[in-house]
Amino acid sequence: EAQVTQNPRYLITVTGKKLTVTCSQNMNHEYMSWYRQDPGLGLRQIYYSMNVEVTDKGDVPEGYKVSRKEKRNFPLILESPSPNQTSLYFCASSFTSSGTQYFGPGTRLLVL
Amino acid sequence: AQTVTQSQPEMSVQEAETVTLSCTYDTSESDYYLFWYKQPPSRQMILVIRQEAYKQQNATENRFSVNFQKAAKSFSLKISDSQLGDAAMYFCAYRYTGTASKLTFGTGTRLQVTL
Repeated sequence: EAQVTQNPRYLITVTGKKLTVTCSQNMNHEYMSWYRQDPGLGLRQIYYSMNVEVTDKGDVPEGYKVSRKEKRNFPLILESPSPNQTSLYFCASSFTSSGTQYFGPGTRLLVL
Repeated sequence: AQTVTQSQPEMSVQEAETVTLSCTYDTSESDYYLFWYKQPPSRQMILVIRQEAYKQQNATENRFSVNFQKAAKSFSLKISDSQLGDAAMYFCAYRYTGTASKLTFGTGTRLQVTL
């Protein structure tokens, strides 16, 4: 089944404790993105990647890192999480830059 | 910068009736895509419909159709014969074809479906 998977789905952590949210797609998509969703703000792009080893900042990149060492994986790294990073995170992928983006199930993060 | 505006935070419709969700956007580009995504209580983001800006014909997907007015930068979603399963948050989104993978979302419209 073609899909985008994220792990973990739920995560509670404390300020400053490094964490990684994994994202994987099995559709051979070149483009992958991370978004965060906050009430009243919709979804905002954090980072995106056009291909292996090619990444760029979105609208709200501060406090996040990403890497794209393999085509299928695009992990989101929070080196020192803070409470304002409490949010719902989505990974998405598409075959081309103009293609439809397919979303993962979301990761709900709470930073205490 | 591109912006997407959904001016209706909440809407309500009776089962079997028709409802229209509004969306306007601001861009100086001529080549782009517009989308409506549905987010049910499960939080999954589900593509409802997509419109290419170069196409004059409005997109349709079963009970879902759009009214795309390029000059007015308006992109409304019409849901016909509403069903209980249509209850969700709906997001309008814009994507410029020249920028890799960037989707700009509106703030969403919560749709309630009543009996």
